Formats: sequence, structure tokens, C-alpha cells
Amino acid sequence: NAGVMQNPRHLVRRRGQEARLRCSPMKGHSHVYWYRQLPEEGLKFMVYLQKENIIDESGMPKERFSAEFPKEGPSILRIQQVVRGDSAAYFCASSPRQGAGELFFGEGSRLTVL
Amino acid sequence: GQQLNQSPQSMFIQEGEDVSMNCTSSSIFNTWLWYKQDPGEGPVLLIALYKAGELTSNGRLTAQFGITRKDSFLNISASIPSDVGIYFCAGQPNTGGFKTIFGAGTRLFVKA
Repeated sequence: NAGVMQNPRHLVRRRGQEARLRCSPMKGHSHVYWYRQLPEEGLKFMVYLQKENIIDESGMPKERFSAEFPKEGPSILRIQQVVRGDSAAYFCASSPRQGAGELFFGEGSRLTVL
Repeated sequence: GQQLNQSPQSMFIQEGEDVSMNCTSSSIFNTWLWYKQDPGEGPVLLIALYKAGELTSNGRLTAQFGITRKDSFLNISASIPSDVGIYFCAGQPNTGGFKTIFGAGTRLFVKA
């Protein structure tokens, strides 16, 4: 029973490049959340998606960041024209139903921008 | 927006001691959750609470959903070295929407 799978675990990008982070939720889960964690800090909510729909993107920066969860395939968090301040751990979590509260997290993708 | 105030920020304790940490908010929450994060890993759910006043245990861990729905605590009894990590409270505010927000974490250090 595979858990939430995130890849890549580590990603290095130069300023101005694009970063794509992928997340496959737990089997049977159709709700995906993305969080960002800076060193020594808590998790900051970014976006909540269901299959093919963005439900809440109130934590997502207005520019350069986008997320999708297509009908087939993993959820993608895309960061365009990365800057050094984008360096962080990005965690994906899934849940089996809307408003469940209980989130099951992946191991995270650590982005380093040079 | 809604914020969770978690305290203490860090704790240094001796193996075998009991630990208590808490989380407060100025807003009402529908759900309170406690997670633990080990270095380089994602958070793992420890306890979920759904009703005001609810007291739930999971092994040596006990957590309560405050009566006012604005606070929660987590107790760890007889701490062991593997309890080391960051403990996060989290919750779903009663303002509509379905996002779960997190406190800043309590860093627990256990000395053998």
C-alpha cells in the first residue's frame, strides 16, 4: 500500500529556470495539498486540488507558481523563473475526502536555487 | 488570517520525563491534529481530534481538543530518545474552506 510519492526528492536549479515537482497521492485519495517549508519553520499552505480542479489556491504566490492535478497522472507544482527565495522543501499531502483534515504526507521535494 | 500559536518552541528533556506542548488560536477550529516530523522526512499524523472536549490517546501520546475549540494540547509520557523530532499542531478553522493550517512546531530534544 504505497504512500504519497513525491519526486524528485532533491532538485537544483539556477535562477530563471523552471522547477516541476510531482506528487502521486495515496491509492484511493483524490484530494491533494501542497505545502512549503522553509528551514526551521512550519508548513505553509499553498494550494488544495481535487482531480482536475483547484479548490483553494489562497496560499499560492500570484506569479510564477501554478499547480494542477489532471484526470490521469500525478499532481504537478510548477515554479517558473525560480529565484533564490524559492529554495525550500515542498511537501505534498493527500486525503481520502474533502475536509478530512487528516493529511498523509510525502517525503518532500527539496528545491535549491543557485 | 487564522494562525496557530504553538508553544514551547523547543524543549530539552531527560529520557523518562513527561512532555507537554500546546497550541492556541484566536479562531475556532473544527479539527485539531498533531503531527511529528523527523529530519528529512514528511510529517506523520499522530492524533486527530474532531469534537470539543475530546481526549484521545495513542500509546504514550495523549491529546485533547479544548472545550472552547480554540486550543489543544499534546502530552508525551515517559519520553524515549526516538521521540526526538518536531511536533506540529494543525487544524481546520471554522471559517469555511478545507485547508489545514499548521503551527510553527515544537522541537523536542531528549537526552538519554
